[in-house]
Amino acid sequence: QTVVTQEPSLTVSPGGTVTLTCASSTGAVTSGYYPNWFQQKPGQAPRALIYSTSNKHSWTPARFSGSLLGGKAALTLSGVQPEDEAEYYCLLYYGGARVFGGGTKLTVL
Amino acid sequence: EVQLVESGGGLVKPGGSLRLSCAASGFTFSSYSMNWVRQAPGKGLEWVSSISSSSSYIYYADSVKGRFTISRDNAKNSLYLQMNSLRAEDTAVYYCARDVIAAAGPSFDPWGQGTLVTVSS
Repeated sequence: QTVVTQEPSLTVSPGGTVTLTCASSTGAVTSGYYPNWFQQKPGQAPRALIYSTSNKHSWTPARFSGSLLGGKAALTLSGVQPEDEAEYYCLLYYGGARVFGGGTKLTVL
Repeated sequence: EVQLVESGGGLVKPGGSLRLSCAASGFTFSSYSMNWVRQAPGKGLEWVSSISSSSSYIYYADSVKGRFTISRDNAKNSLYLQMNSLRAEDTAVYYCARDVIAAAGPSFDPWGQGTLVTVSS
């Protein structure tokens, strides 16, 4: 069974920079897995942030960026704001199947 | 406005069945693949199933294969999830999400607000 792994939790100071990563048990993550990133705040449905590694939706703040880093998908937040405190999930496409990562709880402190 | 509204959740006994619905509006439903994603209380997101626009391609997570059936009615702009042989571990909020295929690749957007399924005796 394919497992997608994220850091369980990260803490960042306001105005700081943080990178979340997303690894696949099958090996290096490439653009062919179409990495997606979602943000979820308590009591809300997830919201799409990044698709296909680094593409932003029209509503995605400029401080969010996606990339591939050391065989993993990565989400970098630069100039973190208090409202960025949330759970972040990556999603990888394995042909017809999709697999979410376990999520990273980002605390802004 | 593009909108997805789930319904059909509730309390069901282990071994029982439930059918979830997702009503779509604000877009041409028949042109998009659709997904079901669930989230157990206090846990992360789990992709459950996907169906292509014409129902030609259907995929399931191993955890639900053989018990759940995804379907759609394009004339009614509706997506369904028939859940049989339910287990306690199926307890979750179930979301439907549209599969958007941009030039660069796919994404899930938007998501519905979710419907809670509780499996308990």
